[in-house]
Amino acid sequence: QKEVEQDPGPLSVPEGAIVSLNCTYSNSAFQYFMWYRQYSRKGPELLMYTYSSGNKEDGRFTAQVDKSSKYISLFIRDSQPSDSATYLCAIEGNKLVFGAGTILRVKS
Amino acid sequence: NAGVTQTPKFQVLKTGQSMTLQCAQDMNHNSMYWYRQDPGMGLRLIYYSASEGTTDKGEVPNGYNVSRLNKREFSLRLESAAPSQTSVYFCASRGGGGRIAEAFFGQGTRLTVV
Repeated sequence: QKEVEQDPGPLSVPEGAIVSLNCTYSNSAFQYFMWYRQYSRKGPELLMYTYSSGNKEDGRFTAQVDKSSKYISLFIRDSQPSDSATYLCAIEGNKLVFGAGTILRVKS
Repeated sequence: NAGVTQTPKFQVLKTGQSMTLQCAQDMNHNSMYWYRQDPGMGLRLIYYSASEGTTDKGEVPNGYNVSRLNKREFSLRLESAAPSQTSVYFCASRGGGGRIAEAFFGQGTRLTVV
C-alpha cells in the first residue's frame, strides 16, 4: 500500500467553479501536510501547509486535514485558468512523500 | 538567487551507459532529495540525505546510487542505464530542523534511455 494515495485525474472544470482535490494517507505518524503546485515543465512549488486537523485558508485556497480519517483536501474557490497545473499533496514524516498529483484544467 | 541547480537539463543515454546527475543548493539546507516523476505516478523518492554524510533509500532506489559530496551537493548516479529509467528527475532541498520546512526543487532533468 502506498503511503499517500491521490487520484491523478485529469480534472476539467469551467472558470469560476469550486475545485476539490483529495488525498488519503496510511501512516498516522505523519505530522505535516502540504500541497504543492507544479506548472508544466517546472519543478513543484509549495502552495500551502498545515500540521493540525481543521482548515487553513489563504486567499482562494483552503487546506483541510482530518487526521481521524487520514484524509486531506485542497479547495480552490472561483477557479481561474491560471490555476491549471498539477497539484501534489505531500506528507512529512522522517522524509517527504508525495501523492501521484492531480492534473487540473480550468477552462475559460 | 540560484536556489537548487540541476545539471544537465536534458540527456539521452543508450542502454548500459552510465551517467551522474548533479544537484547543488545555495540555501544552506540540511536535507536533500532525489525524486523521479513519471506520468500518473507523481514524485517517487529515490534517495534522500537528511544531513551531510548520511544517505537513505527511498521508495525506488534500485539501479541508482547517490553521493552527498558536501552540504551543498547531492549527486545521483546511474551505473547501467535501462529504458525503465526514462523519466524526469528532480532534486530538492529543505531546511529541516524539526519544523515544517518548504522543499525547493530544481528545474528537473529529462532523461531518455534508448
